[in-house]
Amino acid sequence: KQEVTQIPAALSVPEGENLVLNCSFTDSAIYNLQWFRQDPGKGLTSLLLIQSSQREQTSGRLNASLDKSSGRSTLYIAASQPGDSATYLCAASGGYQKVTFGTGTKLQVIP
Amino acid sequence: KAGVTQTPRYLIKTRGQQVTLSCSPISGHRSVSWYQQTPGQGLQFLFEYFSETQRNKGNFPGRFSGRQFSNSRSEMNVSTLELGDSALYLCASSQTKTGGGRTEAFFGQGTRLTVV
Repeated sequence: KQEVTQIPAALSVPEGENLVLNCSFTDSAIYNLQWFRQDPGKGLTSLLLIQSSQREQTSGRLNASLDKSSGRSTLYIAASQPGDSATYLCAASGGYQKVTFGTGTKLQVIP
Repeated sequence: KAGVTQTPRYLIKTRGQQVTLSCSPISGHRSVSWYQQTPGQGLQFLFEYFSETQRNKGNFPGRFSGRQFSNSRSEMNVSTLELGDSALYLCASSQTKTGGGRTEAFFGQGTRLTVV
């Protein structure tokens, strides 16, 4: 059974700081890993998708890496802004298997 | 291109009633998945439908059921509602690659169900 863990559960940083969010998964047989952000009471917004054959993906100030052998993914946010404040979720997909979500990291960027 | 649409956005039901939620996926997406999100349990997978067939199922009681229509729209039904069913219900649509791989999942805004 896949288990996905995100550390830390909450993070508060001053504006402009670079930060790293961590995601660990127990079963390395995944098809892809996806990062999402969720604003309070809202749905999930897809940020980055990393296929199992890829090592990283970049979009603007965001960079996500994937190391299947160690069961880890990181989301790097450069030059954080107050608008980045949200809960960040990672999700491991096993293809035909169900997608397993982590518990999330609640990020607060202080102006 | 329209995103994933969930209706209704908010619902209030009483215990013992049943409820039906609807999800319209992105055009061309044939896979629809449903999730329940609560503060205590986080995001939990309910089931996935592909081409009108339930392909995967999470660990929820039989009161939770779903179906998918030929146009890929999906409905989720919860019967005999309990207080603990209060949650944000999210659906996601994606394309499915040959061999079972999965492309990026796109989520709707969710339906907030409150059971009183």
